[in-house]
Amino acid sequence: GENVEQHPSTLSVQEGDSAVIKCTYSDSASNYFPWYKQELGKGPQLIIDIRSNVGEKKDQRIAVTLNKTAKHFSLHITETQPEDSAVYFCAASITGFQKLVFGTGTRLLVSP
Amino acid sequence: EADIYQTPRYLVIGTGKKITLECSQTMGHDKMYWYQQDPGMELHLIHYSYGVNSTEKGDLSSESTVSRIRTEHFPLTLESARPSHTSQYLCASSDDYNYGYTFGSGTRLTVV
Repeated sequence: GENVEQHPSTLSVQEGDSAVIKCTYSDSASNYFPWYKQELGKGPQLIIDIRSNVGEKKDQRIAVTLNKTAKHFSLHITETQPEDSAVYFCAASITGFQKLVFGTGTRLLVSP
Repeated sequence: EADIYQTPRYLVIGTGKKITLECSQTMGHDKMYWYQQDPGMELHLIHYSYGVNSTEKGDLSSESTVSRIRTEHFPLTLESARPSHTSQYLCASSDDYNYGYTFGSGTRLTVV
């Protein structure tokens, strides 16, 4: 079955810096890769996703890149702000089978 | 507004008590999931359902049980709570079109 590894487990940056979180997956058939943000006391929320037919997707300050050959994908946050502080999860799945496999999470701390 | 609701948000209960954690969604999603989230952040799938009268055990063994009698409702029951059941429980749902999960805000269970 699919296995998703996520690094780093914690990441501390200064406000305004960029943050990058990386994930690798094992099943080459996986074709859907979402990213979730979990703020304190809340459930994870989908912030961006990418399908295997594209290599990069951007939404304002966040972007996701996918390298199918290497089987890894990354979340990039530019111009970080304190409100970006949260736990971020990557995930992978084969569409049609639906069950997402989550990474172990990255705790991002953005210091003012 | 379409959403997913979990009640209660917080629950402190004594050992040996029977408890039911409620999860309801108004989006008409066929697929629903229960995750247990430990203090180390990781999300562990404990139950899922692909529709009414369909329930399956997840990757993490759990003493809890679930039922799916109505599309919108997916309750989780612990017949006899123990301190080892202390955790955050997250419910999620998804459909066949957007692939991403919508999570509830979670129930934080403490068994004393």
